[in-house]
Amino acid sequence: DVKVTQSSRYLVKRTGEKVFLECVQDMDHENMFWYRQDPGLGLRLIYFSYDVKMKEKGDIPEGYSVSREKKERFSLILESASTNQTSMYLCASSQRERLETQYFGPGTRLLVL
Amino acid sequence: KNQVEQSPQSLIILEGKNCTLQCNYTVSPFSNLRWYKQDTGRGPVSLTIMTFSENTKSNGRYTATLDADTKQSSLHITASQLSDSASYICVVRTGGFKTIFGAGTRLFVKA
Repeated sequence: DVKVTQSSRYLVKRTGEKVFLECVQDMDHENMFWYRQDPGLGLRLIYFSYDVKMKEKGDIPEGYSVSREKKERFSLILESASTNQTSMYLCASSQRERLETQYFGPGTRLLVL
Repeated sequence: KNQVEQSPQSLIILEGKNCTLQCNYTVSPFSNLRWYKQDTGRGPVSLTIMTFSENTKSNGRYTATLDADTKQSSLHITASQLSDSASYICVVRTGGFKTIFGAGTRLFVKA
């Protein structure tokens, strides 16, 4: 079974803190994605990576950065957390050409106070 | 503008009843359409995927249809169960790396 794990299920941070969200997949997938999910807005793509050290901006990259030093790990970084970044963050992975077949992690619910 | 719209936003049905969820899209070019089920507090899990040439695809009690001419898809759930309570998300892939997610339909199945 494909497994995508995220480092935390729930996280509470203060405004201005640096936040790291980690995602690991065990299926040797080339593509990895970070989304945020907010009520009524669906999933919105923040960043994705199609290879180690490669990254592409998604639809809402502002306020976020990413790191992919190893194929199995994709990190999302909030340099200075703000209250409007309170959200559910979902990581996903897929094979190189099978973008539509994404496997999702359980999500991290982040609250920024 | 590429968009995926789902209706209704939420739905309450009695256990054992059938229901149909709608997905309309204005995505071009169209590559394929996928339905996901997302249980509360969990990541989405794929139910079905359909390409341009497929009209119907079933996965157990879930049947998805696609009308590429009208750019509409539906997800029909037969004989609903309490475990069907979840959000159902329609996702359309265009060319390249672009996938567009609908906002989802929240389904509540009551005993």
